[in-house]
Amino acid sequence: GAGVSQSPSNKVTEKGKDVELRCDPISGHTALYWYRQSLGQGLEFLIYFQGNSAPDKSGLPSDRFSAERTGGSVSTLTIQRTQQEDSAVYLCASSGGAISGETQYFGPGTRLLVL
Amino acid sequence: RKEVEQDPGPFNVPEGATVAFNCTYSNSASQSFFWYRQDCRKEPKLLMSVYSSGNEDGRFTAQLNRASQYISLLIRDSKLSDSATYLCVVALIQGAQKLVFGQGTRLTINP
Repeated sequence: GAGVSQSPSNKVTEKGKDVELRCDPISGHTALYWYRQSLGQGLEFLIYFQGNSAPDKSGLPSDRFSAERTGGSVSTLTIQRTQQEDSAVYLCASSGGAISGETQYFGPGTRLLVL
Repeated sequence: RKEVEQDPGPFNVPEGATVAFNCTYSNSASQSFFWYRQDCRKEPKLLMSVYSSGNEDGRFTAQLNRASQYISLLIRDSKLSDSATYLCVVALIQGAQKLVFGQGTRLTINP
């Protein structure tokens, strides 16, 4: 596709359940990022993948959060034992390379609601 | 203190007015600076990069003052379509990819 795609667009789950969020970056983009945007808040960095390098996980809020990127393309963000405070919009972005500040293109996000 | 601080607004201005947004950042090692725009329930999109010499793109002018760690965005002759949230964004370290976003300033242009 032409842009970053994410699925599902909306997810409602019960507290304690696990959820998986998917991101398909722009074809050929080597860098992929996950962010979280809570209601009325700015975007919060979660994790970053660049090529085959070890991911930068410094933004993950707890060990309930994990992400992987298979084959250098699609990424999955997994939240285990979801809590109500995990409710947010989860945004994925991709960019073409390793140069700092290279434009990141965002997907439409997954709106997660934990009841 | 937040790494990137913006006035959250909201700003309500009449169509045709000039509006200015300000942003400060705390890390003097910050290397790259941007303004992103986010429409309601949409993803952020890059509006413009901000360069030390200042730069202009049509009705939009961005300025950077490294000494004061201050970034600004000026919108002239505002249009109804300019209504959105404007996000000040800083890239902390050269080679690092983590963008730090301000909370955003909400702008509504009134007819």
